[in-house]
Amino acid sequence: DIQMTQSPSTLSASVGDRVTITCRASQSVSSWLAWYQQKPGKAPKLLIYKASSLESGVPSRFSGSGSGTEFTLTITSLQPDDFATYYCQQYTSYSVTFGQGTKVESK
Amino acid sequence: EVQLVESGGGLVQPGGSLRLSCAASGFTISANFMSWVRQSPGKGLEWVSTIYSGGATYYADSVKGRFTISRDNSKNKLYLQLSNVRAEDTAVYYCAGDAYYYDKWGQGTLVAVSS
Repeated sequence: DIQMTQSPSTLSASVGDRVTITCRASQSVSSWLAWYQQKPGKAPKLLIYKASSLESGVPSRFSGSGSGTEFTLTITSLQPDDFATYYCQQYTSYSVTFGQGTKVESK
Repeated sequence: EVQLVESGGGLVQPGGSLRLSCAASGFTISANFMSWVRQSPGKGLEWVSTIYSGGATYYADSVKGRFTISRDNSKNKLYLQLSNVRAEDTAVYYCAGDAYYYDKWGQGTLVAVSS
C-alpha cells in the first residue's frame, strides 16, 4: 500500500495567516491526490482533486500543488471557518490511502 | 440535491454481525463507484471497501473475508455487511462516492464493538 505522510500534525495559526500543509507519498501517485477538510462531528469535505483542481464551491483561498511524491495545500489567508483538520488522499487505484491529518488550530 | 444517509450502526458484541445501509438521492449509485470509509474515535480516515459500477468489489486487508459490500439498484441503496466484528472495527462508518476521490459523503453511522 502507498503510505501518505502529512506534516505538521498540528499547526497553530491566526486569522489572516498563510498556511501550508505538506503531504508526501511513499511512491509516486502522479497527480492522483485529493485534499479534504473535516470539522468535529462532520464528514470530510472535498477541497481539491487531481492535486490542484479546486472543487466547485470551495473558496479560492485554498490551492493545491505538487506531483509525484510531494504535495502541498495552501490557504492564502486563513479565515475563522478554516480551523479544522485536513487530510490528503492518494487515489491511484481503488485502494486509496489517507494521510494522518493536520489539525489547524487557533494560535 | 445529492444526499447520502447512513443507518444501521449501533452496539455489537465481538464476533457479532451488523448491516449498514446508505440511502442515496439525487444521483444513481449503480452508475458510479461507491465506497465505505471509516474513522476510529479520534483517529484518521481508513478506506474499507469499494464497489464499482460494473459490480466488482474490493476490500481493505483488515476487513477482507469479514465485511461484504453490496447495493440494491432498485432502492438506490448501498450496504456493508459486517461479520465477526472485532474491537478494532469500532468507528464511524461513512458511505462516499462517486469516484476514487469522494465528493459525496454521508453523515456517518457509529459502530461500537464491545461486550
